[in-house]
Amino acid sequence: SAVISQKPSRDICQRGTSLTIQCQVDSQVTMMFWYRQQPGQSLTLIATANQGSEATYESGFVIDKFPISRPNLTFSTLTVSNMSPEDSSIYLCSASISGANVLTFGAGSRLTVL
Amino acid sequence: SQQGEEDPQALSIQEGENATMNCSYKTSINNLQWYRQNSGRGLVHLILIRSNEREKHSGRLRVTLDTSKKSSSLLITASRAADTASYFCATLNTDKLIFGTGTRLQVFP
Repeated sequence: SAVISQKPSRDICQRGTSLTIQCQVDSQVTMMFWYRQQPGQSLTLIATANQGSEATYESGFVIDKFPISRPNLTFSTLTVSNMSPEDSSIYLCSASISGANVLTFGAGSRLTVL
Repeated sequence: SQQGEEDPQALSIQEGENATMNCSYKTSINNLQWYRQNSGRGLVHLILIRSNEREKHSGRLRVTLDTSKKSSSLLITASRAADTASYFCATLNTDKLIFGTGTRLQVFP
């Protein structure tokens, strides 16, 4: 079955710094999705990343804070900029590989901001 | 928020017992999906039920859907300790999956 690799798996970051999370899919996909999961909470969609166009952000998320790249059909990055402790979360990338809008997820990147 | 709600928020049972969790959603749907998440890791897709289906089975999983009540339930029969996880329902909103609040299931050996 298709695999999505995410890195880093976890990191501890200082306030005010930025971190880029990478997501690699082992097959070509049209859309990739970035979610945030705050401690003990459900998943919230940050943005949808399409190859060749600007990412589409959900309400409450802006490009300056969460810039996304999508250089090809198998790869995407999410940057968490100017981090604060409130950004401590698990960030998950996903893609619809098997169709029917069923998502396959990466293992997540657990960020702790001090 | 369009996010669905699940209940209970947490459920503790003994191995061998059945676990039922419920999901309510707010918008019209094409399908409803259930996912499992172990220990804050990535989610794994369990089962999908289409809007024109009322019940679906997969192994020890049984999902029902009532579109008139905008609700779904997930039943796990003969639970095992390995079923300990968080379970989320998800509904499709245009091209985006919106996840429910989740149920944390603890199965004691």
